[in-house]
This record gives sequence, C-alpha cells and structure tokens, in this order.
Amino acid sequence: EAGVAQSPRYKIIEKRQSVAFWCNPISGHATLYWYQQILGQGPKLLIQFQNNGVVDDSQLPKDRFSAERLKGVDSTLKIQPAKLEDSAVYLCASSLFSSTTYSGNTIYFGEGSWLTVV
Amino acid sequence: RKEVEQDPGPFNVPEGATVAFNCTYSNSASQSFFWYRQDCRKEPKLLMSVYSSGNEDGRFTAQLNRASQYISLLIRDSKLSDSATYLCVSASGNTPLVFGKGTRLSVIA
Repeated sequence: EAGVAQSPRYKIIEKRQSVAFWCNPISGHATLYWYQQILGQGPKLLIQFQNNGVVDDSQLPKDRFSAERLKGVDSTLKIQPAKLEDSAVYLCASSLFSSTTYSGNTIYFGEGSWLTVV
Repeated sequence: RKEVEQDPGPFNVPEGATVAFNCTYSNSASQSFFWYRQDCRKEPKLLMSVYSSGNEDGRFTAQLNRASQYISLLIRDSKLSDSATYLCVSASGNTPLVFGKGTRLSVIA
C-alpha cells in the first residue's frame, strides 16, 4: 500500500518569498493533517481536514499560511510571505477518520517537506 | 505548563540494557495515549497505543497512571536499532493529538 506522499522534500527560500507544499494521503483516508515540526520539538498541528472541510485550524497562522483540500483528496499548504521562524519540517499525515481515541484509527505520516528560510 | 512533557535526554544505554522513559500530561480529560518513534530526519511512526492501564508488545511495555497523569515506556534488551527519538502523545475525544518534544535514545554497542 502506498504511503503518504509529499513534495518537494527540500526547499530553501529567502524570507518574504512564498512556498507551497503538496500532499497526497493514503487512498481512502478521509482525514488529512498538516503538522509543523521545528527542530528539537514535537509536531504541532496546523490544520486538519475531514474530506474537503476544515475540522481544526486554530493553530494555523492565517495571516501567512493557507491550506486547501478542494476535492477531498490531495492538499496544498502555502506560506506567503515566509519568515525565518517558518524554517521547519512540514509533515502531512492521514487517517481513515477523525477520531483520535479509536484504537483502529492510526495516523500515518509522510516523510515531510524540509523548509529552510534564509 | 506544556500539555505533554518529556525528558529530552539523550539517554545513552549499552546494548541489552533496560531503559524507561516517563511522560506527564496536564489535560485530565485526555483519554488515549500513544508512543511514536521518530528516526533522525524521518517521519514519526506509531510504536504503541495505550488505552487502559497499559500494554505490552514484545520488548516494549507502555503503562498509564491516570491518577498521577503519566505514561511510561519500558524497553527491555535494547538493540542498536532502537536508537531514535520517542514521542509521547495524548488525545482527547476528537481534539488534535498533542505531541511531547520527544526523548532521544542512543543504544551503544
């Protein structure tokens, strides 16, 4: 079974530039997540989609970050304009459904998109 | 106070040793807990789920103490391949998973 696919794997941009990351979740997974992981920290949820609707975007810096999942399958995360503190790994993840307490609902992560803002 | 706190380590242990990590959580409404493993420059992968008092999977044992609000992970007979960062995670209902910063383990030959 194919895992969560992300691209690009690595990106270096200058501050104030824009960048977009793409994610294709595991086939059949209704729930898609974007996490930000800064070096030395645990992943932090930016946004969660259930099909093409947003479930939680309370920690998404909406002045510069945006995300969409228009057809309920793949998703794009955009940062514009980027700041130095946005340097991090952006992890996309997916699960069958949104419940975080059901034992069968494992969340699978992609390999991440590594962003360096200089 | 952070919702999920872990000792960042590193824990440097010889092969064959037993090592234990603790994790404390602040949200008393948390219902489920997980341990994820993250190798260097790789994505987190689920190691174990902890839904009641605890569970065991081979060399790994996870325990939950709701009264004291902590979870532990015990690794017996450590292997070189166990070297990784171990992330403690809590969950409550349909709220997002809350990750700790992780505990780094190095198993030395």
